[in-house]
Amino acid sequence: DTAVSQTPKYLVTQMGNDKSIKCEQNLGHDTMYWYKQDSKKFLKIMFSYNNKELIINETVPNRFSPKSPDKAHLNLHINSLELGDSAVYFCASSQVQGATEAFFGQGTRLTVV
Amino acid sequence: GESVGLHLPTLSVQEGDNSIINCAYSNSASDYFIWYKQESGKGPQFIIDIRSNMDKRQGQRVTVLLNKTVKHLSLQIAATQPGDSAVYFCAENIGGSQGNLIFGKGTKLSVKP
Repeated sequence: DTAVSQTPKYLVTQMGNDKSIKCEQNLGHDTMYWYKQDSKKFLKIMFSYNNKELIINETVPNRFSPKSPDKAHLNLHINSLELGDSAVYFCASSQVQGATEAFFGQGTRLTVV
Repeated sequence: GESVGLHLPTLSVQEGDNSIINCAYSNSASDYFIWYKQESGKGPQFIIDIRSNMDKRQGQRVTVLLNKTVKHLSLQIAATQPGDSAVYFCAENIGGSQGNLIFGKGTKLSVKP
């Protein structure tokens, strides 16, 4: 069974559209994250959720909104997509917040045209 | 700005040789460090971690060394194999129990047969 799964794996869309990326973890972890990886492979944290509460909201545009219906899911909704949003987005989870290993999904490659 | 960086963006080694990947960090309050391996088209995978109260930790074919005096972290891979070819990231936890993992820029390891 996949520990952290996200869908879709690839997403191509036009500027101005609204899209969502879904993430689910079956590890029973309390904390989930979204990371963005740019074309230079740099990984930057966007959000973390702990027990359905937003813990950290890094300086990302408010066009990005995480939504967590329960602690096993953390979806990423993006409004009014821009060319610069093109990247690979990774969902991750960890047992607790803080100094512990995070488990990553396989990534969603978003291309905005 | 980001506090974690790598000395070498690319590293090419001969199969069977040992590899050393280096990482510099700037936040002296970081309490936890972790190395991830990312293969093409996949999410980062855990390799090994180390807490700030240690200076060395060994796993299977891998060793992580932590030098807090000079804020340096290294990953040593013994008898490097073609399957070790990937991008390697170091990450540090900033913020203690409420922190999150901040990633360095990554080093691409290529293993020549």
